[in-house]
Amino acid sequence: DAEITQSPRHKITETGRQVTLACHQTWNHNNMFWYRQDLGHGLRLIHYSYGVHDTNKGEVSDGYSVSRSNTEDLPLTLESAASSQTSVYFCASSASGVDNEQFFGPGTRLTVL
Amino acid sequence: RKEVEQDPGPFNVPEGATVAFNCTYSNSASQSFFWYRQDCRKEPKLLMSVYSSGNEDGRFTAQLNRASQYISLLIRDSKLSDSATYLCVVNGDTGRRALTFGSGTRLQVQP
Repeated sequence: DAEITQSPRHKITETGRQVTLACHQTWNHNNMFWYRQDLGHGLRLIHYSYGVHDTNKGEVSDGYSVSRSNTEDLPLTLESAASSQTSVYFCASSASGVDNEQFFGPGTRLTVL
Repeated sequence: RKEVEQDPGPFNVPEGATVAFNCTYSNSASQSFFWYRQDCRKEPKLLMSVYSSGNEDGRFTAQLNRASQYISLLIRDSKLSDSATYLCVVNGDTGRRALTFGSGTRLQVQP
């Protein structure tokens, strides 16, 4: 069965370190998204991609970067982790088109000390 | 003002009750509307899309009022398994495939 996976599921890191969160989907979806979820804010869009070599900034992109070298993967990098980036991170994917359902990965809980 | 606003709840209802959630959105150019469900510490999952004419899926009914920029979700005959957070979700301008999520309304169905 097609799926979307994230790794690691839990991560503790220190302020200033570079961290990369992996997202891998086997749906062959063109669209991929990264969100963060914090109490009181709901899900907020960090970066998104509509296909290989395409990346776009979302509403909370500062301090994060992504690259899309193939259809299946969209890794999220925190260049220099900050305590404000402690959050739960969700990756999602959807087929091409505006109304298609987004499928979410199980999430990564990141703590920055 | 948030793009998508929801009453955070919690809504505590007995089994069998009917409960309604409301949501307002600020972008009048929004084209697509959804309700997602999120269980505690789990990923969001699509519950249903919301169409202009209103739509029903079993015990769930969704309605859209474009003039008032208002979306609703009605759950009839609540089950314990309906306990979750319900996220109101809006797609932006035409062609933008990213979604904007409300903060969610928490529902607790009690025996």
